[in-house]
Amino acid sequence: GNSVTQMEGPVTLSEEAFLTINCTYTATGYPSLFWYVQYPGEGLQLLLKATKADDKGSNKGFEATYRKETTSFHLEKGSVQVSDSAVYFCALSDLSGNTPLVFGKGTRLSVIA
Amino acid sequence: NAGVTQTPKFRVLKTGQSMTLLCAQDMNHEYMYWYRQDPGMGLRLIHYSVGEGTTAKGEVPDGYNVSRLKKQNFLLGLESAAPSQTSVYFCASRGHRNQPQHFGDGTRLSIL
Repeated sequence: GNSVTQMEGPVTLSEEAFLTINCTYTATGYPSLFWYVQYPGEGLQLLLKATKADDKGSNKGFEATYRKETTSFHLEKGSVQVSDSAVYFCALSDLSGNTPLVFGKGTRLSVIA
Repeated sequence: NAGVTQTPKFRVLKTGQSMTLLCAQDMNHEYMYWYRQDPGMGLRLIHYSVGEGTTAKGEVPDGYNVSRLKKQNFLLGLESAAPSQTSVYFCASRGHRNQPQHFGDGTRLSIL
């Protein structure tokens, strides 16, 4: 079946450091891929998405590129801020779109000033 | 823009009590979902619906029931609450394939 694997957290970075959160997936065909962010005490918010190979999703300085050859969708940001402290979830939607999104277990990011 | 609205936001129950969590969406979405999130764990799917009048089991359905009598509403019921059901519950909805899920702000449920 479909699955998503994220790097284990927590990840602690200093402000202005470079961020990478790894995400790899297993799926048949060409799934759509998503990154969600959950700030403390809130629900999940869509951060960015990509629907086909080589697409790059971007939002709020975050980027992720859909790599079919490595089945990856790594999240990156060039310079993190304290306000980026949150839990980040990678997710995929299968080709049919009729089944629920498959989520990774989440990666907690803490950014210190 | 209300999006996905969950009520109540907080609730404390005693073991054995029953309650219903309401999820309402105003985006005319076909698909709706209920998840639970426990400390240090990701999301676990309880039940979901692919349209009005339909429901399906997710990963952890035991102890919960759901109903989707109207397209905009998805109800999650606990018939006899247990301490193991203490969690944060999230509802989500989605329109068409390849579209993202939109989440509510969660219901924090404690069962004593």
